[in-house]
Amino acid sequence: EVQLVESGGGLVKPGGSLRLSCVASGFTFGAHSMHWVRQAPGKGLEWVSSISTSSSFIYYADSVKGRFTISRDNAKNSLFLQLNNLRAEDTALYYCARKRIQVPAAIDFWGQGTLVTVSS
Amino acid sequence: IQLTQSPSFLSASIGDRVTITCRASQAIGYYLVWYQQKPGEAPKLLIYEASTLQSGVPSRFSGSGSGTAFTLTISSLQPEDFATYYCQQVNSFPRTFGGGTKVEIK
Repeated sequence: EVQLVESGGGLVKPGGSLRLSCVASGFTFGAHSMHWVRQAPGKGLEWVSSISTSSSFIYYADSVKGRFTISRDNAKNSLFLQLNNLRAEDTALYYCARKRIQVPAAIDFWGQGTLVTVSS
Repeated sequence: IQLTQSPSFLSASIGDRVTITCRASQAIGYYLVWYQQKPGEAPKLLIYEASTLQSGVPSRFSGSGSGTAFTLTISSLQPEDFATYYCQQVNSFPRTFGGGTKVEIK
């Protein structure tokens, strides 16, 4: 069974940092590019960042560029997102998501998310 | 690339034919994906490459379009289809989502 389990969310003050983790199981993690997508409370989906299978290609939304860093450890079937200099508008449920192997791209599996709340 | 979905909200009855539109600010070929999200759940992939149904998705769902104009159609709305639907362009980075269309029971 494919599983993506996120952790690391919580309450943090503006300007603070968090590190989100996502552990994958049930599939060959290293064969899939991965994404982080977030959803503010009551709002729509916002793509945050993507990383290719070997970490050679990394992309960020303009809203997080320079503050967030995506990484992965294929040996540990894990995806990470380092969140620095957090702002109130970063408050959201952060989903770890798997890109389908085949082209064209699409996200074919999502975790259940980890909640990040930025508030003083 | 901006994606504009319309309507943002629609009220429909069981058995209705429902159409949701997604317009891109520039041409994206067939690189358009549709997701369904129910309250409290993660999104689910419905359609990729504008019109290809993901395995396991009922055939009452269909997608069409290319370039800048796309549609998601539900041919006969079922109780389990009441949800929010999002389009996403996968033509280029940054990937972007449409604002969503919430389908509610009339």
